[in-house]
Amino acid sequence: EAGVTQSPTHLIKTRGQQATLRCSPISGHTSVYWYQQALGLGLQFLLWYDEGEERNRGNFPPRFSGRQFPNYSSELNVNALELEDSALYLCASSLAAVRGFFGPGTRLTVL
Amino acid sequence: SQKIEQNSEALNIQEGKTATLTCNYTNYSPAYLQWYRQDPGRGPVFLLLIRENEKEKRKERLKVTFDTTLKQSLFHITASQPADSATYLCALDLHGSSNTGKLIFGQGTTLQVKP
Repeated sequence: EAGVTQSPTHLIKTRGQQATLRCSPISGHTSVYWYQQALGLGLQFLLWYDEGEERNRGNFPPRFSGRQFPNYSSELNVNALELEDSALYLCASSLAAVRGFFGPGTRLTVL
Repeated sequence: SQKIEQNSEALNIQEGKTATLTCNYTNYSPAYLQWYRQDPGRGPVFLLLIRENEKEKRKERLKVTFDTTLKQSLFHITASQPADSATYLCALDLHGSSNTGKLIFGQGTTLQVKP
């Protein structure tokens, strides 16, 4: 069974640009979660999508947004990039009680 | 205020010994507590989940305990190996009426197992 996949692996952008990160959950999982892990910091919850709807978002500005497609894959968009957006962005999908089957992450670097 | 804390310092142990990692929380009532392993630059890997009504869970060389009175979980790795060296994260899942969908993560404890 394939795990959660994310693309791209690395992404380099400059300040003010937009970044789009993609995630495919494990087959059969309908919920997708996005987390940010800045260097030396813990995982911070960004967004939760379930059945195509945004269910909850963390304490992040509106320039962080996303969507979930009918096939349950998801996209995270970050507009007007700032230097402090540089981080590892992690996507997870859930099965029953375990919410956190994580993908390998996308390393976003903002120059 | 709500907090979740893990051993703040790195844990260095000798191969073959038992590693014990601590996760303490305040002002949360988690339905589940989970432990993850994370290697540098990689996504966390799920290890074990323990429910609020369970005291102990085992999987191979791993053991987790959960004391909801003390608001503490202990994570043990027996017969540790250098390959166990990684950062270990605990995470609370509130579920129920507090179901926000998010996991609340500790900062992690870095374990170094020396041969």
